[in-house]
Amino acid sequence: AQKITQTQPGMFVQEKEAVTLDCTYDTSDPSYGLFWYKQPSSGEMIFLIYQGSYDQQNATEGRYSLNFQKARKSANLVISASQLGDSAMYFCAMTRVGTGGFKTIFGAGTRLFVKA
Amino acid sequence: DTGVSQDPRHKITKRGQNVTFRCDPISEHNRLYWYRQTLGQGPEFLTYFQNEAQLEKSRLLSDRFSAERPKGSFSTLEIQRTEQGDSAMYLCASSFGTSGGYEQFFGPGTRLTVL
Repeated sequence: AQKITQTQPGMFVQEKEAVTLDCTYDTSDPSYGLFWYKQPSSGEMIFLIYQGSYDQQNATEGRYSLNFQKARKSANLVISASQLGDSAMYFCAMTRVGTGGFKTIFGAGTRLFVKA
Repeated sequence: DTGVSQDPRHKITKRGQNVTFRCDPISEHNRLYWYRQTLGQGPEFLTYFQNEAQLEKSRLLSDRFSAERPKGSFSTLEIQRTEQGDSAMYLCASSFGTSGGYEQFFGPGTRLTVL
């Protein structure tokens, strides 16, 4: 069965510093995709970054990068130069890629607090 | 506005009543997802459509829940005989593609309160 684990319920980071949010996963699917979403207090889910299981390089999107270690089944999100607006809930998610259904599962989330 | 829209944004109902929510995805998106999110938790997958076909449905979903996407455009989620445990945010998301590896665009959600 698929599973996403986020072990950090809350994280604090100083403004302008980098922070890593942990995500480990379990799946038997040969092809899968990993996502990170941000959910501010306003409630909307905002897509941040995507990593395919067969992608050779780690994904990057501006200040966001995904540290993908396939053998360890981890997909940690790195936010560089944290800003006050980065304070939010962050969810790691996984979906099957290829044929068949595309059930997506989410982790329990990590709440990030950015301190001025 | 070409984003995902959901209606209503808030619904308060009494236990035992039926409720129906609507989701309008981004127009060219062929895939549509429904999730339920309770306070402090991540979204929980309920069901998924590719065009008008419902391809997956969570085993967590009881027979009281049903979803349709009749013409492959908008979708409805109905909850019959609501229970207090159904109180949650119901999120709809859409994406485009056939292989699964594409970002999902989320709507603002419908917050359901069952009294």
